[in-house]
Amino acid sequence: RKEVEQDPGPFNVPEGATVAFNCTYSNSASQSFFWYRQDCRKEPKLLMSVYSSGNEDGRFTAQLNRASQYISLLIRDSKLSDSATYLCVVNIRNTGNQFYFGTGTSLTVIP
Amino acid sequence: DAMVIQNPRYQVTQFGKPVTLSCSQTLNHNVMYWYQQKSSQAPKLLFHYYDKDFNNEADTPDNFQSRRPNTSFCFLDIRSPGLGDAAMYLCATSPQKGYEQFFGPGTRLTVL
Repeated sequence: RKEVEQDPGPFNVPEGATVAFNCTYSNSASQSFFWYRQDCRKEPKLLMSVYSSGNEDGRFTAQLNRASQYISLLIRDSKLSDSATYLCVVNIRNTGNQFYFGTGTSLTVIP
Repeated sequence: DAMVIQNPRYQVTQFGKPVTLSCSQTLNHNVMYWYQQKSSQAPKLLFHYYDKDFNNEADTPDNFQSRRPNTSFCFLDIRSPGLGDAAMYLCATSPQKGYEQFFGPGTRLTVL
């Protein structure tokens, strides 16, 4: 079983739509959680860290559900520039602070 | 601006010809990572340094070596590149273990 699993999509949504991605993780010792954005043939860029209380940054909201072992990313009022692959990343302290990446969810925002 | 820099951005090598990729950072981060990423796949960790402490992933081929001569620089050496080593190689840094990682722009390696 993979440590981190994401629905690969693709998600094709119209401009202005709200879209949500989920990511599940298998190790209950997972400690830190992040969402990264990766554009085609570019490096991953940190979008948000995910805190236990949930956090919001403009149109983006991240939530953590430890009981069900998933994290979510909500994007409101989608823009064309939001088109990218969104990577879920989990850090597990008892594996030497190893980072585990999901394979990413592809989002295309359509005019 | 503080950043993670990788050179070269594109590297073409021949089958079996050694190649070295470099990474430098002005963030003064303790941890540096090397990842390999192939098309439509997640980045795969090759190794990381926590300060001078080197940590090799169990499934990283012996063909891949790394050096970190100081805090700012880290190198990835591929001793005998095979066709299967063609990929994007990403360097990342983190202030401490478990904290956010910041990626460089990557080096795209082509093996002929």
